[in-house]
Amino acid sequence: GENVEQHPSTLSVQEGDSAVIKCTYSDSASNYFPWYKQELGKRPQLIIDIRSNVGEKKDQRIAVTLNKTAKHFSLHITETQPEDSAVYFCAASLNTGNQFYFGTGTSLTVIP
Amino acid sequence: DADVTQTPRNRITKTGKRIMLECSQTKGHDRMYWYRQDPGLGLRLIYYSFDVKDINKGEISDGYSVSRQAQAKFSLSLESAIPNQTALYFCATSDRGVGAGDTQYFGPGTRLTVL
Repeated sequence: GENVEQHPSTLSVQEGDSAVIKCTYSDSASNYFPWYKQELGKRPQLIIDIRSNVGEKKDQRIAVTLNKTAKHFSLHITETQPEDSAVYFCAASLNTGNQFYFGTGTSLTVIP
Repeated sequence: DADVTQTPRNRITKTGKRIMLECSQTKGHDRMYWYRQDPGLGLRLIYYSFDVKDINKGEISDGYSVSRQAQAKFSLSLESAIPNQTALYFCATSDRGVGAGDTQYFGPGTRLTVL
């Protein structure tokens, strides 16, 4: 099956700086890549996603890039704020099965 | 998201006991999933169901069973709980999508402790 690796496992940034989280996947058939944010004690919630026919997608301060050739995708958060502090999970999904394979998560801390 | 609910929210049980975790959704979604979350391991898929008559094993189904009683209900059972099943369990739903993938909507989670 698919294997998704996520780095780094922890990340601390100063408020206002940018944060980048990277994921790699193993199955070239994967074609949907969502990112979920999980605040402490809360459920994961989708923040942005990208499909394999697109190289980049932006939504205000967050963006995701996808490199299909290298089989990696990244989450970029600009102008970080304390409320961005959370655990972020990447995931990959195959078209036919709709199973989601999650990365192991990145704990982001934004220091005021 | 109150559309996906899980009961109980917390449960402490003893080794060897049978436990059932329940998930209900009012989103009208066909697809339902059970995940467990462990520190440092992310979310791992236990079972998933695409409709009432469809049950599929995920990455880590050993020691678990499920029942899809209706479109809106998907239960996870631990027939004989063991301590390494101590984890946070999430139910999730998604709609049948056109093309690849779909947003998954997670329930609030059930924290299970097996002593």
